[in-house]
Amino acid sequence: DSGVTQTPKHLITATGQRVTLRCSPRSGDLSVYWYQQSLDQGLQFLIQYYNGEERAKGNILERFSAQQFPDLHSELNLSSLELGDSALYFCASSVDTANTGELFFGEGSRLTVL
Amino acid sequence: GENVEQHPSTLSVQEGDSAVIKCTYSDSASNYFPWYKQELGKRPQLIIDIRSNVGEKKDQRIAVTLNKTAKHFSLHITETQPEDSAVYFCAAWGSNYQLIWGAGTKLIIKP
Repeated sequence: DSGVTQTPKHLITATGQRVTLRCSPRSGDLSVYWYQQSLDQGLQFLIQYYNGEERAKGNILERFSAQQFPDLHSELNLSSLELGDSALYFCASSVDTANTGELFFGEGSRLTVL
Repeated sequence: GENVEQHPSTLSVQEGDSAVIKCTYSDSASNYFPWYKQELGKRPQLIIDIRSNVGEKKDQRIAVTLNKTAKHFSLHITETQPEDSAVYFCAAWGSNYQLIWGAGTKLIIKP
């Protein structure tokens, strides 16, 4: 158990819909990262938050948005869903920036868009 | 933009043999290089990392080497075992304050 909690574990929805994925980081971790992993693909970095502020942005679509709340949990909102958005979405957390130590990944939220 | 190239994409070795995965990075300011292992259906987990002030680091059967001049780093796994079968990702921390990830190497251990 990494200490990072992601909900829901599985989600099935239809094209055009909107979903929210939730992540609770490890206790004491200030940074939260979101990654997208399509089937048999690598890890695509979406966005990072540090202590409530956006720190870095990767290949995140305009239809996607995220935020980190004062209690440090984070939510990733995916809207106008397309078939190609079907993927495993990982949240990870670290104490500070990613070069200071390990990223702890959650178990992921598997999104299926039909 | 900055990138990390990882080779090979698939590596099949006989159980007990060694495996080597190589990564090349483009950002000369990169100073931190972790390796993550992702077993099928599981989350990625850090297995070893190295910083730019060190040339080599070992942890039991796993070692990482770094050549800053050539801007490449490698993962070495000796005496491979069935549980080493997984996808391995390299990454490099760069001047854009992001971890840049390689595309992954699927390691298959043949019995």
